[in-house]
Amino acid sequence: GAVVSQHPSWVICKSGTSVKIECRSLDFQATTMFWYRQFPKQSLMLMATSNEGSKATYEQGVEKDKFLINHASLTLSTLTVTSAHPEDSSFYICSARGGRNTEAFFGQGTRLTVV
Amino acid sequence: AQKVTQAQTEISVVEKEDVTLDCVYETRDTTYYLFWYKQPPSGELVFLIRRNSFDEQNEISGRYSWNFQKSTSSFNFTITASQVVDSAVYFCALSEAAEYGNKLVFGAGTILRVKS
Repeated sequence: GAVVSQHPSWVICKSGTSVKIECRSLDFQATTMFWYRQFPKQSLMLMATSNEGSKATYEQGVEKDKFLINHASLTLSTLTVTSAHPEDSSFYICSARGGRNTEAFFGQGTRLTVV
Repeated sequence: AQKVTQAQTEISVVEKEDVTLDCVYETRDTTYYLFWYKQPPSGELVFLIRRNSFDEQNEISGRYSWNFQKSTSSFNFTITASQVVDSAVYFCALSEAAEYGNKLVFGAGTILRVKS
């Protein structure tokens, strides 16, 4: 299957700082990327959908000014957690697809710990 | 609104036992897709199966089998002769529209522990 790579795999940051997570499609052009969040021992919840070249669509309850998503190219989407706080500590995972009715592939996820 | 229910929070079995993970879904769409993923301790999601709403045939892949019943809105997953390596969290998921690469609604997950 296609490869989606996330970087970093894990990150620890201080409260109040910003953290950027990258999601790259390595062998296909990703027109759409999805960002999910998984709190410890919980399920995955969709945060936002990003289409290349346009603004991301956020799910209800997700602060768009706190979780900045940029999908500026067909192979890269970034999620920036701004002014991170301990409650933002979570597992963030992206998925990417090449077009409508094509398979969406998941990255390996990023474990964020805010101290 | 779409919803996926995995009522079993945690299941423990002894190696070689068969185990079935339940999944019940709700959707108003007539066309939809159902998925199962495995999440080992490393966290990455391992794709297991995708099934569209028009295909009710059961599927078998090695020790894994899936039973899709639209009449009861269920998509259950059975592991035959379980192994320790099967220990993981298993998620059932539903695509929100008639595009199988679309965003997913996940169930709460079932933790499977297989003891040797």
